[in-house]
Amino acid sequence: GAVVSQHPSWVICKSGTSVKIECRSLDFQATTMFWYRQFPKQSLMLMATSNEGSKATYEQGVEKDKFLINHASLTLSTLTVTSAHPEDSSFYICSARVASGRSEQFFGPGTRLTVL
Amino acid sequence: DQQVKQNSPSLSVQEGRISILNCDYTNSMFDYFLWYKKYPAEGPTFLISISSIKDKNEDGRFTVFLNKSAKHLSLHIVPSQPGDSAVYFCAASAPVTSGTYKYIFGTGTRLKVLA
Repeated sequence: GAVVSQHPSWVICKSGTSVKIECRSLDFQATTMFWYRQFPKQSLMLMATSNEGSKATYEQGVEKDKFLINHASLTLSTLTVTSAHPEDSSFYICSARVASGRSEQFFGPGTRLTVL
Repeated sequence: DQQVKQNSPSLSVQEGRISILNCDYTNSMFDYFLWYKKYPAEGPTFLISISSIKDKNEDGRFTVFLNKSAKHLSLHIVPSQPGDSAVYFCAASAPVTSGTYKYIFGTGTRLKVLA
């Protein structure tokens, strides 16, 4: 199957700093990438849908100015958590889709963010 | 409002027996359903899917059943193996206005297969 990588796999930062997480599709071009967040023992919550070259579509309740998404190419999307606070600590997972429509999403391994 | 629900947070099954994981949904617009498997500190991996025009889809040891009238789907794993121990998420999708399909995930069921 297609491979999606995320970097870093884990990060610890101080409150008030910004953290950038990269999501790359390694062996395919992703027309759409998705960013999810997972709290312990909870579901994966979709944060935003990102299409290459256009603005991301954020889900209700997700602050677009706090979670900046850039999808600069067909193989790279970045999520920047700005002015991070301890409540932003979570497991962030991206996924990428090969084509439009119902095609399968391939998930990255996730990034564990801890804000002190 | 949790549109996709997995009411059993955990399940233990003896090796060789059948594992049945259940999922309920509330949105009648959902027309495509998937099951994902997730190990700790890893991203989910796709297992099997089913379209609403079917009521059953089988792939090796994995079978997904869909009951549209009950808004219920289930994943059967038979025979269960210790390597199947993981968290299983069901997901549902419906078209949105832009034509993009997005997934709504359930809360997951942790399956433990005992040797």
